[in-house]
Amino acid sequence: GAGVSQSPRYKVAKRGQDVALRCDPISGHVSLFWYQQALGQGPEFLTYFQNEAQLDKSGLPSDRFFAERPEGSVSTLKIQRTQQEDSAVYLCASSRKTGNYEQYFGPGTRLTVT
Amino acid sequence: DQQVKQNSPSLSVQEGRISILNCDYTNSMFDYFLWYKKYPAEGPTFLISISSIKDKNEDGRFTVFLNKSAKHLSLHIVPSQPGDSAVYFCAAVISNFGNEKLTFGTGTRLTIIP
Repeated sequence: GAGVSQSPRYKVAKRGQDVALRCDPISGHVSLFWYQQALGQGPEFLTYFQNEAQLDKSGLPSDRFFAERPEGSVSTLKIQRTQQEDSAVYLCASSRKTGNYEQYFGPGTRLTVT
Repeated sequence: DQQVKQNSPSLSVQEGRISILNCDYTNSMFDYFLWYKKYPAEGPTFLISISSIKDKNEDGRFTVFLNKSAKHLSLHIVPSQPGDSAVYFCAAVISNFGNEKLTFGTGTRLTIIP
């Protein structure tokens, strides 16, 4: 069956550009998470959706980061005015329902800001 | 403040022997723990999990042990196989049904020597 997909897989942006990263979760999965993974580190939580509702955005590092999931399926993470410290792998994960802790991850988008 | 710690960045084990990966946590509110495996350029893949009401969970070659009083868990892989070479992350959850975000350790790179 289809897993979580993310696009693009790689993105190079000049400092100051806006980027949009897309996540297609597994069909029917209620919960969707975004994580940021810096080189040599573990993934760090950014934000969480239950269906279309963004229930937690406490991990977003600044107001330049914005995420949405308007119809409760596909999600987009947008970063405005990218900075070099935004360079990382952005991982999307989904889970079947609230209370199901096993999350299925996509392959990630590697963002490099030059 | 690293709430989940994997103090060994790397581990090498002979094929056929036991691999033991360790993880410590500081937040006593964590009550569910997961191990993920990650290959290069792929997202983390769920391996095995354990609830805090148990002290052991087994699935084939993989066993996770939890010592709540020591805030310590370990993953045992027996026997180790070349395909087990990957980065392993432990992750912890506070199961409050509001937000099951995963808090990850920094990972341990396991290399199985043929």
